[in-house]
Amino acid sequence: DAGVIQSPRHEVTEMGQEVTLRCKPISGHDYLFWYRQTMMRGLELLIYFNNNVPIDDSGMPEDRFSAKMPNASFSTLKIQPSEPRDSAVYFCASSLRLTFTDTQYFGPGTRLTVL
Amino acid sequence: AQKITQTQPGMFVQEKEAVTLDCTYDTSDPSYGLFWYKQPSSGEMIFLIYQGSYDQQNATEGRYSLNFQKARKSANLVISASQLGDSAMYFCAMRANTGGFKTIFGAGTRLFVKA
Repeated sequence: DAGVIQSPRHEVTEMGQEVTLRCKPISGHDYLFWYRQTMMRGLELLIYFNNNVPIDDSGMPEDRFSAKMPNASFSTLKIQPSEPRDSAVYFCASSLRLTFTDTQYFGPGTRLTVL
Repeated sequence: AQKITQTQPGMFVQEKEAVTLDCTYDTSDPSYGLFWYKQPSSGEMIFLIYQGSYDQQNATEGRYSLNFQKARKSANLVISASQLGDSAMYFCAMRANTGGFKTIFGAGTRLFVKA
């Protein structure tokens, strides 16, 4: 069974450009999460969806960040315009439900570098 | 407030020996789940093992076991018979109702396995 799929694995862009990160969750999982990982701040939850509906976006750093989930098998995280401080590894994760027993499974991550 | 503490930034272990990675947690919620993830140098986050707050026995998964001491609020990961491929960053994480079941992560412990 395929795990969480993310693309691209690496993205290098210039400041001011739009960046779109993509995620396909594990089939049947109702919850999808976007995280950002940096050396300074560790793993931060940006936003999560339940059945394609955004539930909590309190971790989204600013209006330059937006996320969508048009269907159960696809989500995007967009940064427009990108800035050097956005450089980080972005992870998508999914879980079947949202209880204390449910495991989140992570994708391989997208390493974003903004020059 | 919920919190995960990993006090060991780095650990060394000789190949084939056992190693314990420390994790303490803080929550007032009676229902919570504890998770360990491995992040090798390739960057992906790999789920290793889960322990529920109501579980009577320590969780085990192959060479991984979780030393769960509820009264001390500790959930240490034990890796037996270390292998070179175990060299990675290890994160302890928790989910509980109080935090809306959002997963909170510790800062991680980097494990180095020596040949």
